[in-house]
Amino acid sequence: EADIYQTPRYLVIGTGKKITLECSQTMGHDKMYWYQQDPGMELHLIHYSYGVNSTEKGDLSSESTVSRIRTEHFPLTLESARPSHTSQYLCASSDFTGSNTEAFFGQGTRLTVV
Amino acid sequence: SQKIEQNSEALNIQEGKTATLTCNYTNYSPAYLQWYRQDPGRGPVFLLLIRENEKEKRKERLKVTFDTTLKQSLFHITASQPADSATYLCASPFDSGYSTLTFGKGTMLLVSP
Repeated sequence: EADIYQTPRYLVIGTGKKITLECSQTMGHDKMYWYQQDPGMELHLIHYSYGVNSTEKGDLSSESTVSRIRTEHFPLTLESARPSHTSQYLCASSDFTGSNTEAFFGQGTRLTVV
Repeated sequence: SQKIEQNSEALNIQEGKTATLTCNYTNYSPAYLQWYRQDPGRGPVFLLLIRENEKEKRKERLKVTFDTTLKQSLFHITASQPADSATYLCASPFDSGYSTLTFGKGTMLLVSP
């Protein structure tokens, strides 16, 4: 079982609300990622981080923002949720050093904006 | 543009048979390919990695091949079981620094008893 945790697992929220999806890992990995996945579709990278104080945008344009103040913590924030933000959000981490390149994923947060 | 493609149609097989899933890539040469399993409502779980200089990798009932001429990786599950039913994802780094993974859409495998 991977030591990467996401909360909440499910969230239903009204349009216009600000939300933060939490992601924490205890493996000491420098690299962390947020992917967005709609049902039956591929994972799309929306944000990633190489380490503390590093954040980068991914391939898919997203209205969300991220921060990396601590190695173990990589929260994702939506300032004003909209129905188009309804999706599954997956957090992952990896150390990507030497031969250790696998990504460890959390259980995901399924977000529904009504 | 760079692409990683998997057969979007579900694969239905009978228990005990070998399942073979395909991952094709275009317009780039990956240093490695990874295979993940994803169950409904859960995050992907890493299964195997194969590097460009490796022809084949095995782990228990799983086998992955990498053909750089065909630009293809095959993922095999031998003696398949109903518990193997899941979506299987192929992934590879597109960037030269190998810092992020791009995933295919995945192929759903259904193993019937």
